[in-house]
Amino acid sequence: GAVVSQHPSRVICKSGTSVKIECRSLDFQATTMFWYRQFPKQSLMLMATSNEGSKATYEQGVEKDKFLINHASLTLSTLTVTSAHPEDSSFYICSARRRGGLDEQYFGPGTRLTVT
Amino acid sequence: QQQVKQSPQSLIVQKGGISIINCAYENTAFDYFPWYQQFPGKGPALLIAIRPDVSEKKEGRFTISFNKSAKQFSLHIMDSQPGDSATYFCAASTPGGYQKVTFGTGTKLQVIP
Repeated sequence: GAVVSQHPSRVICKSGTSVKIECRSLDFQATTMFWYRQFPKQSLMLMATSNEGSKATYEQGVEKDKFLINHASLTLSTLTVTSAHPEDSSFYICSARRRGGLDEQYFGPGTRLTVT
Repeated sequence: QQQVKQSPQSLIVQKGGISIINCAYENTAFDYFPWYQQFPGKGPALLIAIRPDVSEKKEGRFTISFNKSAKQFSLHIMDSQPGDSATYFCAASTPGGYQKVTFGTGTKLQVIP
């Protein structure tokens, strides 16, 4: 159990357009979901944390108007990159913490975003 | 205070050997220390985790050693296999509702036949 999916796995978009990435917990309810960004050969950088039904908490330096996070249900969180630019190209990964669980976070497979 | 330092950056081990990756932290409020394995183009997968009230935890070929007084912990991979070749991240988190995870910088492990 504890499977997290992301969609799409890869997306290419033009500069100035918006892209939505979905993160779903398939076999458990997630009280908290996290969004990370990872550059090539680097570690994961936490962008924001969201609880179901409440506003996301963004890390310092992350523009909340550019990276819109919606945690609509206990199994779905979305990240929308608005007015994307080439510097937003990256690997975006979500994770989820199980409702009633301990400290484990389960990660999705990631979404490769390329902005041309 | 949130930093987790990881070494080495890369590691080459022969098949059957022991791979050792070390991490150190500063924040004494950390109370959960997971290790993640990540293959290229994939998300991290939880390997094994430990809490500071235990000095060692073993699961199969993977062992975490934890030294609370030194604020250090390490991952040992026994009988390393080519399939273990991946990037490994140590991490630490604090208690509380959000439990944000702070990741180490990663170690790229290559196990050669």
